[in-house]
Amino acid sequence: DTAVSQTPKYLVTQMGNDKSIKCEQNLGHDTMYWYKQDSKKFLKIMFSYNNKELIINETVPNRFSPKSPDKAHLNLHINSLELGDSAVYFCASSQVSRSSLETQYFGPGTRLLVL
Amino acid sequence: AQKVTQAQTEISVVEKEDVTLDCVYETRDTTYYLFWYKQPPSGELVFLIRRNSFDEQNEISGRYSWNFQKSTSSFNFTITASQVVDSAVYFCALSERGADKLIFGTGTRLQVFP
Repeated sequence: DTAVSQTPKYLVTQMGNDKSIKCEQNLGHDTMYWYKQDSKKFLKIMFSYNNKELIINETVPNRFSPKSPDKAHLNLHINSLELGDSAVYFCASSQVSRSSLETQYFGPGTRLLVL
Repeated sequence: AQKVTQAQTEISVVEKEDVTLDCVYETRDTTYYLFWYKQPPSGELVFLIRRNSFDEQNEISGRYSWNFQKSTSSFNFTITASQVVDSAVYFCALSERGADKLIFGTGTRLQVFP
């Protein structure tokens, strides 16, 4: 029944490692997003995909590479992890039309800690 | 440029008190959308309300109400008769039509004590 799901929920890893976070939505939406929430709770958009096509890339380092195999999935791969990547990463989805912005529904978040 | 300001960093109240969370936004667009999300201690982001710029009617949902005023660029959120379960961080967010992304405020942490 979960609308937007993410795995894993927690991720603890060493600096320099490569890791992936997976996101799936069963709402039938055509647009998916990644947001980052830092230690001060500030939320900022990273990427958005519409029907598997990259729409937004908010000046995120090249070490972050989103991949959308289909419109129900949006994965986030991070290379060469750095201490500053420690954060909570939220996936979201919505249905976007030309005339309006529909509500974005968020996944439970993935808490990444880089040691 | 888009911006959302939540000037109240933290608010503490005692149960049954009414509390208002302030949100002021900036945008140059005439068509935009405003949102409120709740982040309880468990960490998920829960959608509360969405409003478009052409609908200035206030909305009430149970103990929650929202006051949208374009003249002051504000979209304030009031909880009536607060409960301990209302303790959370509340985020106000803005999106312009065509921008397809949410610009969040810095959040207001609400603590409701029994």
